[in-house]
Amino acid sequence: GAVVSQHPSWVICKSGTSVKIECRSLDFQATTMFWYRQFPKQSLMLMATSNEGSKATYEQGVEKDKFLINHASLTLSTLTVTSAHPEDSSFYICSASSRGLAGGGHEQFFGPGTRLTVL
Amino acid sequence: GENVEQHPSTLSVQEGDSAVIKCTYSDSASNYFPWYKQELGKRPQLIIDIRSNVGEKKDQRIAVTLNKTAKHFSLHITETQPEDSAVYFCAAILNQAGTALIFGKGTTLSVSS
Repeated sequence: GAVVSQHPSWVICKSGTSVKIECRSLDFQATTMFWYRQFPKQSLMLMATSNEGSKATYEQGVEKDKFLINHASLTLSTLTVTSAHPEDSSFYICSASSRGLAGGGHEQFFGPGTRLTVL
Repeated sequence: GENVEQHPSTLSVQEGDSAVIKCTYSDSASNYFPWYKQELGKRPQLIIDIRSNVGEKKDQRIAVTLNKTAKHFSLHITETQPEDSAVYFCAAILNQAGTALIFGKGTTLSVSS
C-alpha cells in the first residue's frame, strides 16, 4: 500500500519551454503533497508543500511563478517548470502523506522521481 | 526554522562491521525523525523512523537512537552487507504544525566485501 507514482520518469526539453510533472497517490488519498529537487550528489531540497484545494507553500528561494504547483485533487499534484533553463535540470521528486494512514500523517511516501534535462 | 546536520558525509566499512551515522537538529519542537536509504537514481526509501516519545527503536540489523535533550539522533547498522551500500539521509519535521521534512546532506555508505 501507499504507492506514489510520477510521470514522466524523465524528460528532455529545450530552454524556454515549460514542463509539467505529475504526481499521483495510487491507493490512498494524500492530505498533503510535497515537491523536492535533488541535484547530483546532493540532498533533497524541499521546494513546496501543497494541500488539496489550497495554494502551495513555497520554501524560501523557490520562485512560485516559475514552479507552478497545482493540487486539484486528493490523488494528484502537478509541478510545472515554466520557461525552463539549463540550471533547472535536476531530479524532481514528489512525496505524499495522509493523516488517514498509520502514523498520523508523518510518514511520507515518495514517487520515483523525474529526471529533467534542459538543453 | 529547522536545520539538520548529518555526519559523516562518507563512510567506508568492511562487510560485517557496524556503521553509525549521526544527525543533529535545531528545533526542539520536532517530533518525528525518519531515516531514508537512496540508491542511485531511485526514490528515497524509509528504513526506520522514531518519534520523540521514545529513545530507541530497532528493526533487525537497523536501530535508531534519539537524545531529545542533546537534539541528536543516530542510525546504527550492524553486520553490514554490500547491499547496504547507498546514500542515507536523516530528516526531521520542519515544524510541529506541519509534516514537511528537512533532510540532512546525506552519508554515502560503502560496504566492501
